[in-house]
Amino acid sequence: NAGVTQTPKFQVLKTGQSMTLQCAQDMNHNSMYWYRQDPGMGLRLIYYSASEGTTDKGEVPNGYNVSRLNKREFSLRLESAAPSQTSVYFCASSRQGSNSNQPQHFGDGTRLSIL
Amino acid sequence: SQQGEEDPQALSIQEGENATMNCSYKTSINNLQWYRQNSGRGLVHLILIRSNEREKHSGRLRVTLDTSKKSSSLLITASRAADTASYFCATGGGAQKLVFGQGTRLTINP
Repeated sequence: NAGVTQTPKFQVLKTGQSMTLQCAQDMNHNSMYWYRQDPGMGLRLIYYSASEGTTDKGEVPNGYNVSRLNKREFSLRLESAAPSQTSVYFCASSRQGSNSNQPQHFGDGTRLSIL
Repeated sequence: SQQGEEDPQALSIQEGENATMNCSYKTSINNLQWYRQNSGRGLVHLILIRSNEREKHSGRLRVTLDTSKKSSSLLITASRAADTASYFCATGGGAQKLVFGQGTRLTINP
């Protein structure tokens, strides 16, 4: 099993460009998440999808949009990239629980630089 | 806002020694989880301890939770070079969301 797969692994954009980060999981998980990781800041939740058909904002949603395309796929879109969005982006998934007791499974990240 | 804060931020020990990392948090939780992140990779789940548990073991890992002090510790016994990584605590309070701390960078010297 591949687990959680993120594409691309690396990307360089110019300010104002748009792009979509792709994420797919093959574990039949209901819940999926997008985080960004910056030095000294740990992981911060951007958006999450508790189940297919639902999405909710996390701690730092501004400048991002998401789409839960189906149960397997959850994409993150930057409409107009800004240098402040330079970061490493992680996608994760988990089995759905009534609360957050379920461990999350992470992809290996997309390293995004905005010039 | 960060819920968990790990201490120390960085730890360097000799192979074979034990490593202890601490996590403090601010609000009530349902559970606390520890994750490992190797350089350039995603996080890997290590262990979950529920709010009604005080101690949990998994192989060379021992986790304690003190809800009265809002703190947890991760002990790695008999450390190995492969344990070199960053370790994060994450607290769960509901709605399928976890809040991660800033991590402890652990270096095991041969």
